[in-house]
Amino acid sequence: DTAVSQTPKYLVTQMGNDKSIKCEQNLGHDTMYWYKQDSKKFLKIMFSYNNKELIINETVPNRFSPKSPDKAHLNLHINSLELGDSAVYFCASSQTTGTGFYSGNTIYFGEGSWLTVV
Amino acid sequence: GNSVTQMEGPVTLSEEAFLTINCTYTATGYPSLFWYVQYPGEGLQLLLKATKADDKGSNKGFEATYRKETTSFHLEKGSVQVSDSAVYFCALSAPGPFKAAGNKLTFGGGTRVLVKP
Repeated sequence: DTAVSQTPKYLVTQMGNDKSIKCEQNLGHDTMYWYKQDSKKFLKIMFSYNNKELIINETVPNRFSPKSPDKAHLNLHINSLELGDSAVYFCASSQTTGTGFYSGNTIYFGEGSWLTVV
Repeated sequence: GNSVTQMEGPVTLSEEAFLTINCTYTATGYPSLFWYVQYPGEGLQLLLKATKADDKGSNKGFEATYRKETTSFHLEKGSVQVSDSAVYFCALSAPGPFKAAGNKLTFGGGTRVLVKP
């Protein structure tokens, strides 16, 4: 069973369209993420949810809207797609351990969704 | 802020050569450090991690030691194979109230490694 699965894996769409990427994790984790990898392979966090609560929201255009219906799912909806949105989008999850100041949680990534805007 | 710097690639090696990928970091407090690997056309996989100074992470013949005095976490493998060809990412997670920062990974720019037979 795939631990973190996201669909679709490949998506080619035209500028101006609206699209969604879905993510599910079966690890029982309480925290999920979206990361973006640009054409130069640079990876940056976009959003993070803990138990359906948004806890990290980096500087991302508000055309990007995450939604977490439950703690096992985190979807990413993108409105009015632009050429610059072409990238690989990674979903990830982790289980928060400890209380307060702890940083060693392992984050597990999905296989990525390759988005190409034409 | 937090940052990770790793050597730029590509690094091209022959099979059975020794591999080192340098990684240094800047962070507040004592971060946890990670190496992730991305094989061609695939997602990110955790390779190894270390959560405190002098810890050594190891997996699949790869090793990295958390050096607080030099703020480094260099990745090494004694004898690479063609199947090790991939992009390697160094990353850190800085401690903090998890709702603020504790679960957030900051990545280096990645180092592409190409191993030739």
